Amino acid sequence: QKEVEQNSGPLSVPEGAIASLNCTYSDRVSQSFFWYRQYSGKSPELIMSIYSNGDKEDGRFTAQLNKASQYVSLLIRDSQPSDSATYLCAVTDGGSQGNLIFGKGTKLSVKP
Amino acid sequence: KAGVTQTPRYLIKTRGQQVTLSCSPISGHRSVSWYQQTPGQGLQFLFEYFSETQRNKGNFPGRFSGRQFSNSRSEMNVSTLELGDSALYLCASSQGQLNTEAFFGQGTRLTVV
Repeated sequence: QKEVEQNSGPLSVPEGAIASLNCTYSDRVSQSFFWYRQYSGKSPELIMSIYSNGDKEDGRFTAQLNKASQYVSLLIRDSQPSDSATYLCAVTDGGSQGNLIFGKGTKLSVKP
Repeated sequence: KAGVTQTPRYLIKTRGQQVTLSCSPISGHRSVSWYQQTPGQGLQFLFEYFSETQRNKGNFPGRFSGRQFSNSRSEMNVSTLELGDSALYLCASSQGQLNTEAFFGQGTRLTVV
């Protein structure tokens, strides 16, 4: 059973702090990795994609990938109350292009 | 550029009935994937269609089926509805190649009573 594991949280950080979200996956053949943000009652919104080892930065967001450790993380710098949401880690099922395996998400709360 | 459109947004059905949900992908995207989201199980993959062919399938019973049309629009059908089918059904649109991003529609909230 291929799995994606995330700490369910809630993760609470003060406004302006760095939020660190982590994810591990079981399928060594997975090639694409994504972070989605989901506000309550809304659909998931793609915020970051990463395909190779290392860091990828986009504004306040940095995704980190370590395929040897089967580990993906998302850092949110200068966290804002509007970042409060559930963050879903998703990885492709092996070499499949169209099948994403999702973690159950980490709920982030940013306190003003 | 228009996003992914799902219709209807909300549905209430009775046990034993069937339902059809629709998804229009982003223009130019050839892959449509369907997911079921429930509080207990999270997001679970149902199936994926690419160029009118089912390319991947998740572990759901045969009551769940889908199809894709030549314009890439996709439908999913659930027959003989059960209470446990109550969920948010999401479709995701992508170009369908390796290392491409998937974008979700607003979802269809299905309630089975």
